[in-house]
Amino acid sequence: DSGVTQTPKHLITATGQRVTLRCSPRSGDLSVYWYQQSLDQGLQFLIQYYNGEERAKGNILERFSAQQFPDLHSELNLSSLELGDSALYFCASSPHLRDEQYFGPGTRLTVT
Amino acid sequence: DQQVKQNSPSLSVQEGRISILNCDYTNSMFDYFLWYKKYPAEGPTFLISISSIKDKNEDGRFTVFLNKSAKHLSLHIVPSQPGDSAVYFCAASGRMDSSYKLIFGSGTRLLVRP
Repeated sequence: DSGVTQTPKHLITATGQRVTLRCSPRSGDLSVYWYQQSLDQGLQFLIQYYNGEERAKGNILERFSAQQFPDLHSELNLSSLELGDSALYFCASSPHLRDEQYFGPGTRLTVT
Repeated sequence: DQQVKQNSPSLSVQEGRISILNCDYTNSMFDYFLWYKKYPAEGPTFLISISSIKDKNEDGRFTVFLNKSAKHLSLHIVPSQPGDSAVYFCAASGRMDSSYKLIFGSGTRLLVRP
């Protein structure tokens, strides 16, 4: 158990819909990261927050957005969902800006 | 443009033997490298890391070697155990665009045969 929690574990929704994925980092960690893993692919970095502020952006679509709240939990919002958005979405956390990252169990999103 | 490449999608070794997983990178700004292990239906688990000021780091059965001139790193597992069967990702980090990002390879699936 990494100490990072993600909810929900599974999510099935239809094209065009909007969903919110939630992540609680390890106690004391200030950085939160979001990754997408499509079928048989590597982990694609989406975005990083540090102590409430956006710090780095990767290949995140404009339809996707994220935020980190004062209690340090984070949410990833995915809107106008397309079939190709079906993937595993992982959240990770680390103490500061550049440390080993600890991953949650992931949210499996299926868009039908 | 894949900055971190794991060219072997899979590897099969006998229990007790050495497993060697390889990773190549292209960006000379990378100065911190990590290996993660991933079991099905779980998130990746941090295994071992190495800074570019070193060429070797050891932790129990796991050793990571870094060859900066070749832009190559490898993970050695000795002796391999069936419980090591998983997908292994290498990742690299460096200061880019005023931030640090972890760039992951596509993974190598290791099977350790009893």
